[in-house]
Amino acid sequence: GENVEQHPSTLSVQEGDSAVIKCTYSDSASNYFPWYKQELGKRPQLIIDIRSNVGEKKDQRIAVTLNKTAKHFSLHITETQPEDSAVYFCAASRGNTGNQFYFGTGTSLTVIP
Amino acid sequence: GAVVSQHPSRVICKSGTSVKIECRSLDFQATTMFWYRQFPKQSLMLMATSNEGSKATYEQGVEKDKFLINHASLTLSTLTVTSAHPEDSSFYICSASSQGGNSPLHFGNGTRLTVT
Repeated sequence: GENVEQHPSTLSVQEGDSAVIKCTYSDSASNYFPWYKQELGKRPQLIIDIRSNVGEKKDQRIAVTLNKTAKHFSLHITETQPEDSAVYFCAASRGNTGNQFYFGTGTSLTVIP
Repeated sequence: GAVVSQHPSRVICKSGTSVKIECRSLDFQATTMFWYRQFPKQSLMLMATSNEGSKATYEQGVEKDKFLINHASLTLSTLTVTSAHPEDSSFYICSASSQGGNSPLHFGNGTRLTVT
C-alpha cells in the first residue's frame, strides 16, 4: 500500500517568513496530492491540490510542487501570518473513483507574531 | 457545495455500550465514504472504506466486528463502535469525494468519542 512521510513534524516561523513542508510517497501509481489544514478540534480543510500532470501550482500565498520522479511534493507558504498556524497534512491518492487517500503524519506550524 | 455532515459531534458512553456515528453527504451522492480515526496530535488513520450497497473494506489491523460500517444509501454511511472500551476513545472523522477520482475529500466535522 501507499506510505506517505511528512517532514518536519513541527515548524515555527516568524510572521512574514516562508514555511516549507515536504512529503514523500511510495506508490508510483499515486497521481493526486491534496494538502489539508486542520485547526484544533476541527475538520481538515483542503487548501491546495496538485495532479501528477502538473509540476507546480500556486494560489496566492500558497504553492505546491511535485516531483514525480523522486516521489516527493512540497507545500510552500509565503508571507506567513498568525492565522496560518495549524496542523497541515499532505495526502496521496491514485485518483480513481473510490480510491483511498493516505495521509502524512502532519506538520504543526506556528507563526510567531 | 460538497458538504459532509457528521453526527454526533461529541459523545460520552460507558464501557460495554455501542455508539453509532452518522455521516451524510448533503448535496451530492457518495458511492464511497471513508472513515478515519485521529489520536491527539497525530495524523488521520484510514480505518475503512465504506461502499454503498456492499461490504466495507477495512484497513489492516482494524477489527471489522468492532467497527461496524453500514452504507445503506448514496448519502449515508454509519460507523458503530461496538462494546466500546476506553481505548476506543478518539476523534472519528468521515469523508467523501463528490466527483470521484482526482478530486479532494470533503470531511465531516468529526466525532469526539469518550468511553468511560
